[in-house]
Amino acid sequence: QVQLQESGPGLVKPSETLSLTCSVSGDSISSYQWTWIRRPPGKGLEWIGYISNTGNTNYNPSLKSRVTISVDTSKNQFSLKVSSVTAADTAVYYCARDWYSSGWRVFDPWGQGTLVTVSS
Amino acid sequence: DIQMTQSPSSLSASVGDRVTITCRASQTISTYLNWYQQKPGKAPKVLIFGASGLQGGVPSRFSGSGSGTHFTLTIASLQPEDFATYYCQQSYTTPTWTFGQGTKVVIK
Repeated sequence: QVQLQESGPGLVKPSETLSLTCSVSGDSISSYQWTWIRRPPGKGLEWIGYISNTGNTNYNPSLKSRVTISVDTSKNQFSLKVSSVTAADTAVYYCARDWYSSGWRVFDPWGQGTLVTVSS
Repeated sequence: DIQMTQSPSSLSASVGDRVTITCRASQTISTYLNWYQQKPGKAPKVLIFGASGLQGGVPSRFSGSGSGTHFTLTIASLQPEDFATYYCQQSYTTPTWTFGQGTKVVIK
């Protein structure tokens, strides 16, 4: 059973870079595709970006210039970096597996999420 | 970009009620529509895939329907553990996805 756990600083200063890691257990990270999603306080879910099992990435156009997603297969982890953060980047950040359920693409499972606050 | 619009944004209901949530896409997405449930402090979990497929382990009181631009999630008889926020998500434009803004179901 695949399990995911996010980790990283809970507080980031404005204009700095937010860095999070998602540790995957229960299977090889190379077998699947992975995604990052966030939920700002009081708002809905926002898809951030995706990395395939071959290392291809795709990002939300609204964040594309500031986001980088990468994979470390040796550690069975993938990471998110968001540069030049502002208060608008304050959110609970989730990592999730992007795969197929009965042939339909879904996010399953998800990590528990980690709150990142942008404040000086 | 495909925009997903849910209605209502919140609703109050009683245990045993039949509840329906609507999701509309700004352009046709066939049946590439998933539904997720999120309880406070918990990660979202998938309930419905492909507009009407029930994810394993999800109670049969949950059902989904629709195609094209109009979709619904129905809870046949609301249970105490169903009070949560529900999100629709289109998987038509992979690998770019969008969610609805969410529908919060609260106790009346």
